[in-house]
Amino acid sequence: SQTIHQWPATLVQPVGSPLSLECTVEGTSNPNLYWYRQAAGRGLQLLFYSVGIGQISSEVPQNLSASRPQDRQFILSSKKLLLSDSGFYLCAWTSQGNTEAFFGQGTRLTVV
Amino acid sequence: SQQGEEDPQALSIQEGENATMNCSYKTSINNLQWYRQNSGRGLVHLILIRSNEREKHSGRLRVTLDTSKKSSSLLITASRAADTASYFCATYSGAGSYQLTFGKGTKLSVIP
Repeated sequence: SQTIHQWPATLVQPVGSPLSLECTVEGTSNPNLYWYRQAAGRGLQLLFYSVGIGQISSEVPQNLSASRPQDRQFILSSKKLLLSDSGFYLCAWTSQGNTEAFFGQGTRLTVV
Repeated sequence: SQQGEEDPQALSIQEGENATMNCSYKTSINNLQWYRQNSGRGLVHLILIRSNEREKHSGRLRVTLDTSKKSSSLLITASRAADTASYFCATYSGAGSYQLTFGKGTKLSVIP
């Protein structure tokens, strides 16, 4: 069966520090991969999606970047965190063809 | 940008009552999906309705879709305290799009 792993679950980072969040999917190949951010009590903002290795589409210009070095690995990064980067980050995958999404458990990032 | 918009933003009902949430979207779709999110967790897929379907049932869930009005509704019958969660609709931004975007959600509270 397919599983998605996202870590860490919580993270407290100082302003100006780098960030690396990792997401991996098991049990499927060539998934579409997504990074979302959710502010407290709000909806999901699509940050990046990827339909293949090295293919990244950015939805919102900001202080973050994403990479997909392997088929089932999706990484969210920042060189210097801002206070406004705080939030709940969710990774998700879908199979090809506009199908349902499967989400990781999320990373609660607090920038202090 | 947000594709779906849920209404109401918050809903509080007594256990045993029915809960109805609505979603409006902007562009043409292949399907519309509903998800549930418990506080501080990832989203879980509930049901997918295709654009050529008008109604779909899954257990205590009933989803309707009106493509002429670009709207959908989610009905939860005989609600339970365990149904307390946020509910989101999601669509792909147009046919052939990989951008899976979510509304802001309806926060449902079921009072025992």
